[in-house]
Amino acid sequence: DIQMTQSPSSLSASVGDRVTITCRASQGISTYLNWYQQTPNKAPKLLIYAASNLQSGVPSRFSGSGSGTEFTLTITSLQPEDFATYYCQQSYDTPRTFGPGTTVGIK
Amino acid sequence: QVQLVQSGAEVRSPGSSVRVSCKASGDSFTNYPIDWVRQAPGQGFEWMGGKLPNFDPTNYAQKFQGRITITADESTSTAYMELSSLRSEDTAVYFCARVSTHDDDSSGNEAFDYWGVGTLVIVSS
Repeated sequence: DIQMTQSPSSLSASVGDRVTITCRASQGISTYLNWYQQTPNKAPKLLIYAASNLQSGVPSRFSGSGSGTEFTLTITSLQPEDFATYYCQQSYDTPRTFGPGTTVGIK
Repeated sequence: QVQLVQSGAEVRSPGSSVRVSCKASGDSFTNYPIDWVRQAPGQGFEWMGGKLPNFDPTNYAQKFQGRITITADESTSTAYMELSSLRSEDTAVYFCARVSTHDDDSSGNEAFDYWGVGTLVIVSS
């Protein structure tokens, strides 16, 4: 199975900050990488697909980059509704696997 | 607007089975696979398997082989996930999620673009 890791596991930030989250795959996955946002007791929401494509309806302050084994999710100018947990997920192979999550908290 | 409506919370005893349903609306049910993903309390996500309605085979994670059955009923646009031989470690929220590709992405990358709200399954004696 492809192992996904994320760093950091949590961070504290303020409204307006720029936030970067890193996701690494245990083997090359090209750009078969998606990012999701989850708030407590809610279903995940797709933010970015195929590493760098913004899902319809997602604010442009979210962006993704990377290929192969290293990927980043960037939030420019953090907004109050962005305090959540973010997960990466690979779709290169089955079983689909997710990173352990990065929780963005309020500083 | 695509919606996936899941069945309600369940409490089961160890060794028993549970079946969770996921009714789709708002788009063609047979055009998209429905996958199942679970999240144990305070934990991350674990992919269990999935199926394109009216198409075989079903794809299961090896971890659940022999215990899981995923089916789909075209007539009611409903997907089902049944898990047997339940143990306490199966206590989790179970999500169904639609698998989609995007027209502007030629790679064929698949993403979970719509999710159900989740069904809590508690396994306890």
